[in-house]
Amino acid sequence: KAGVTQTPRYLIKTRGQQVTLSCSPISGHRSVSWYQQTPGQGLQFLFEYFSETQRNKGNFPGRFSGRQFSNSRSEMNVSTLELGDSALYLCASSQGPDLTTNEKLFFGSGTQLSVL
Amino acid sequence: GDSVTQMEGPVTLSEEAFLTINCTYTATGYPSLFWYVQYPGEGLQLLLKATKADDKGSNKGFEATYRKETTSFHLEKGSVQVSDSAVYFCALSSGSRLTFGEGTQLTVNP
Repeated sequence: KAGVTQTPRYLIKTRGQQVTLSCSPISGHRSVSWYQQTPGQGLQFLFEYFSETQRNKGNFPGRFSGRQFSNSRSEMNVSTLELGDSALYLCASSQGPDLTTNEKLFFGSGTQLSVL
Repeated sequence: GDSVTQMEGPVTLSEEAFLTINCTYTATGYPSLFWYVQYPGEGLQLLLKATKADDKGSNKGFEATYRKETTSFHLEKGSVQVSDSAVYFCALSSGSRLTFGEGTQLTVNP
């Protein structure tokens, strides 16, 4: 079974541009989450989707948005990029959304975004 | 809100040494607790998980016990290998999101 797939692996953008990152979850998984990883702030939750609905959102500005398609694939978009948006963006999937059960969250290798 | 505190790193050990990485948490309700590992240039891999008090998660020689009375989930391994060198993250979940600790860099020397 293929793991969580994120594309592209690396991205270089300039300030003010926008970017779209893509994530394909493990087959059969319906919940997709996004996390931002930076050396200064560590791992921070962005948002979570289940059955095409955003169910949970972290404390990020409105420039960060996402969506989930009917096949569970997800995209996240960052508009008007700032230098501070440079980070590793990690996508994760699980069968269901409740991680307090026996659900397990599986991560992709991430998209490394550099904003110049 | 929820928070996770890990012991400060980095941690450097010799091969076959005993490993402990401390993790304490603050949460409302009854969270699940996790340890994830991240190798250079890769995403996070789930190492082990515990869903209720006194549960012990274990995998690949690593163990951690959910201690509600001390709000802790310390990671242990009896004999580390060079291949265990990585960054280890403690995390908790009260629903669909994970709250992570700062991460602990472990280096194991031959």
